[in-house]
Amino acid sequence: KQEVTQIPAALSVPEGENLVLNCSFTDSAIYNLQWFRQDPGKGLTSLLLIQSSQREQTSGRLNASLDKSSGRSTLYIAASQPGDSATYLCAVKSGTASKLTFGTGTRLQVTL
Amino acid sequence: ETGVTQTPRHLVMGMTNKKSLKCEQHLGHNAMYWYKQSAKKPLELMFVYNFKEQTENNSVPSRFSPECPNSSHLFLHLHTLQPEDSALYLCASSQDGQGFYGYTFGSGTRLTVV
Repeated sequence: KQEVTQIPAALSVPEGENLVLNCSFTDSAIYNLQWFRQDPGKGLTSLLLIQSSQREQTSGRLNASLDKSSGRSTLYIAASQPGDSATYLCAVKSGTASKLTFGTGTRLQVTL
Repeated sequence: ETGVTQTPRHLVMGMTNKKSLKCEQHLGHNAMYWYKQSAKKPLELMFVYNFKEQTENNSVPSRFSPECPNSSHLFLHLHTLQPEDSALYLCASSQDGQGFYGYTFGSGTRLTVV
């Protein structure tokens, strides 16, 4: 059974800092991994999708890496801004099953 | 409209009421999903529909009844719910049933059962 863990559960950084969010998963036989952002009481916004054959994906100030063998993914946010404050969720698609396994998220606060 | 649209955004219902949640996707996707998000818990998959056919029911109580009349619309019919069913209900879609191109989520319906 796939389990996804995100550390830290919460993080507060001053504006302008670079930061890394971590995601680990127990079963390395994944199909792909997707990072989402969720604002309070809102739905999920997709940030980056990494296929199992890829090592990283970049979009603007965001960079996500994937190391299947160690069961880890990181989301790097450069030059953080207050608007980046949200909960970041990592979700793993395992094998051919339709199930997407989510972590419990990292709640990020970027302060002025 | 584009993306995945869910209505209503908020719903308060009594335990004896019957209500429905609606989800519509304008992406041409073939698979649609219902997820439940409770406080302090990871998202839980409830139902999967692929080309209008239900392909997965994740041991969801019968008081939740999904309906998928076509690939663009998904409903969740609710009846005789319990207070512990209060949660954010999220609809998602994917181009294919395997999620190869990732998933797109709606903004959710915040359900409160009183």
